[in-house]
Amino acid sequence: EVLLVESGGGLVQPGGSLRLSCVASGFTFDEYGMDWVRQAPGKGLEWVSGIDWKSDYIGYADSVKGRFTISRDNAKNSLYLQMSSLRADDTAFYYCAKYTRRLYYDSSGYRDYWGQGTLVTVSS
Amino acid sequence: SYELTQPPSISVSPGQTASIACSGDKLGDKFVCWYQQKPGQSPVIVIYQDDKRPSGIPERFSGSNSGNTATLTISGTQPMDEADYFCQAWDTRLGVFGGGTKLTVL
Repeated sequence: EVLLVESGGGLVQPGGSLRLSCVASGFTFDEYGMDWVRQAPGKGLEWVSGIDWKSDYIGYADSVKGRFTISRDNAKNSLYLQMSSLRADDTAFYYCAKYTRRLYYDSSGYRDYWGQGTLVTVSS
Repeated sequence: SYELTQPPSISVSPGQTASIACSGDKLGDKFVCWYQQKPGQSPVIVIYQDDKRPSGIPERFSGSNSGNTATLTISGTQPMDEADYFCQAWDTRLGVFGGGTKLTVL
């Protein structure tokens, strides 16, 4: 059974930092691209960042570029999102998702598994 | 930046056909995915590569993409299909989601 379990969310002040983790199981982690997708409460989905199987190709949404850093540790079956200079509009549920291709941006693929999400609240 | 536009909501009677549009510049030149999300749940893929159904997705779900518009069609809509639907495409390695469409079955 494929499982993606996110952790690391919580309440943080504006300007602060947070590191999200996603531990994967049930599949060969180092063969697939992964990404982070967020959803503000009651709002739509927003793609945040993606990383390919070998960490050679990484992409960020304009809204987080320069503030967020995605990484993965294939030896630990883990995906990470380091978030800094957090703002109120970063408040959202953050989902990690497994892609069906090695390249996260391969448009022939899709996200076949999602985690349950971890809530990040940026507020003073 | 690339944008995808969806109607905020549509409603359909049980057994009827629901069509959800997703528009973007030359969208027909890209592959489009559709995700279904029910309240309190993570999204689920229903259509990929414009018109392909993953295993386990009912045949009543279909998709098309041409010109500037992709369409998700649900034939014989059932009450269990009531959910939010999001289209998604890639634009030079950046993911783009549509704003989402709330499908009400009543």
